Amino acid sequence: GAVVSQHPSRVICKSGTSVKIECRSLDFQATTMFWYRQFPKQSLMLMATSNEGSKATYEQGVEKDKFLINHASLTLSTLTVTSAHPEDSSFYICSAPGQGAPVGGYTFGSGTRLTVV
Amino acid sequence: SQQGEEDPQALSIQEGENATMNCSYKTSINNLQWYRQNSGRGLVHLILIRSNEREKHSGRLRVTLDTSKKSSSLLITASRAADTASYFCATARVSSNTGKLIFGQGTTLQVKP
Repeated sequence: GAVVSQHPSRVICKSGTSVKIECRSLDFQATTMFWYRQFPKQSLMLMATSNEGSKATYEQGVEKDKFLINHASLTLSTLTVTSAHPEDSSFYICSAPGQGAPVGGYTFGSGTRLTVV
Repeated sequence: SQQGEEDPQALSIQEGENATMNCSYKTSINNLQWYRQNSGRGLVHLILIRSNEREKHSGRLRVTLDTSKKSSSLLITASRAADTASYFCATARVSSNTGKLIFGQGTTLQVKP
């Protein structure tokens, strides 16, 4: 089945530094990737839609200059958290319409736990 | 609110019992999907029901959809300890052609052995 590989799974960084999270579709082409943020014991909040070859579309209230999204190829989308602060600590997950979607649902990465100290 | 409502927020049952989770949403939808998330992990797609379907089965899972009430339910029969996880409904809106999924708040299920 469709697989989305997300790295790193965990990262700890200092305040003020930037962190890049990668999501790769391993056996299919993903022209679109969705990036979510999840706080402990809460649901997923859609942050932005990443589109290969064009600018990302951000949800209301999401700072595009803080959360830089690049969809470099048909198999790679990256989220860079710039000038990270402790309040950016969260669980970040990417997803892509899997092969056969929507019947087959969307495929999610395994998530990245970001801790900013 | 971006999200729909799910109830209960938490559910604890014994192995072998059935678990029912409910989801309500606010807008017209193309389909509704259920996902499972183990603690600290990504989401796994369980089942999708289209807006013109009323019931769907997959193994021990049964999903119903009532578009007039904008609600859905997920039934897990003969639960197992391994079913312990959080379960989320997600909707794809008719008004959006971007494929965005909007998630409910989730139900945390604990199945005691």
